Amino acid sequence: EDQVTQSPEALRLQEGESSSLNCSYTVSGLRGLFWYRQDPGKGPEFLFTLYSAGEEKEKERLKATLTKKESFLHITAPKPEDSATYLCAVQAWNAGNMLTFGGGTRLMVKP
Amino acid sequence: DSGVTQTPKHLITATGQRVTLRCSPRSGDLSVYWYQQSLDQGLQFLIQYYNGEERAKGNILERFSAQQFPDLHSELNLSSLELGDSALYFCASSASGGSSYNEQFFGPGTRLTVL
Repeated sequence: EDQVTQSPEALRLQEGESSSLNCSYTVSGLRGLFWYRQDPGKGPEFLFTLYSAGEEKEKERLKATLTKKESFLHITAPKPEDSATYLCAVQAWNAGNMLTFGGGTRLMVKP
Repeated sequence: DSGVTQTPKHLITATGQRVTLRCSPRSGDLSVYWYQQSLDQGLQFLIQYYNGEERAKGNILERFSAQQFPDLHSELNLSSLELGDSALYFCASSASGGSSYNEQFFGPGTRLTVL
């Protein structure tokens, strides 16, 4: 069974204090790893897709990386508007297009 | 705005009742997915439709059913509702449903409260 574990569950940062969120996964043939951002009461917002180990993608203050066992979402010099829950999900080759999500990391950035 | 629309935004009903949630995918997307998000279970895949046909099933209860219509909009029907069915229900869409890579774009969700 595909499993996704995210850590930490919650993270408090001061504005400008860089950090990383972790997503560990177990999947029988990774087709893609996805990062989403979710604000309270809203739908997940797509951020990145990573397909193979060693791949990196960047968007503004966010950078996602992928290894064979985990993915990291690096947040550089965060701002209060980066506060949200960040969700990681995997898609396996033998599971159609369904996404298996981790529990998320709730990020709070204080000014 | 992802381009995926869902109605209604909020739904309050009683145990034992039946409700229908509606989703319109992004223009041109053929696949529709339904997910349930509750506090204790996180975001869980329910079911996928591709161009009108059921493509994959997840942990969807027998009391729940879905369909995708010729105009590609989808409906999720929940019957014999229980307190534990209270959750956020999200619809997502993607361009393909087959073997090619695809990103799923989520709608704003329907918050279901069962009293």
